[in-house]
Amino acid sequence: QVQLVESGGGLVKPGGSLRLSCAASGFTFSDYYMSWIRQAPGKGLEWVSYISISSTYTNYADSVKGRFTISRDNAKNSLYLQMNSLRAEDTAVYYCATFGYDSSGEFDYWGQGTLVTVSS
Amino acid sequence: EIVLTQSPGTLSLSPGERATLACRASQSVSSSYLVWYQQKPGQAPRVFVYGASSRATGIPDRFSGSGSGTDFTLTISRLEPEDFAVYYCQQYGSSITFGQGTRLEIK
Repeated sequence: QVQLVESGGGLVKPGGSLRLSCAASGFTFSDYYMSWIRQAPGKGLEWVSYISISSTYTNYADSVKGRFTISRDNAKNSLYLQMNSLRAEDTAVYYCATFGYDSSGEFDYWGQGTLVTVSS
Repeated sequence: EIVLTQSPGTLSLSPGERATLACRASQSVSSSYLVWYQQKPGQAPRVFVYGASSRATGIPDRFSGSGSGTDFTLTISRLEPEDFAVYYCQQYGSSITFGQGTRLEIK
């Protein structure tokens, strides 16, 4: 069955950096666009970024543009999010998900999320 | 950026009742790219409706989506206990945005 497992979350000081990983299994990872979505504690969902199958194309929310970088390694079935210059408002659970770029733009499969806390 | 506004913020109903959840967009959204999710506490969201009106695999037919342009609706014909959760709409255009959510709670 499809499984997405995020890791790398934790407590980081404002201005610091963190790299999230997402390990995929149970499907052909290299057939899917992938995305990161976040959810601040007790709040709604916010799309963060997505990446194309061959990494040719990436897109970011304005709130993270220039600070976050999405990447993937199809040989390792893994998705990454490098987060730099972190701010308190980046505190959230970060989910990785498959992205239906060529269908309805839906996020079909989700991981369980990893919590990032930005605080001094 | 297209802003999605969901109403009401909280909906209090009893099992067996009909629920109508609204999602209004600040600009026209292609029906092909309007999605509804359900999220329960401590869980990731789950796709319920995509393309504005197509139920995802395994979703009961008491759930139906409709709408076009700037106004979309998710209807639950007869509420079951497991339907009480938070529902989000999402659009995919030049960017991707979610509504703020509607909390469906047991009255």
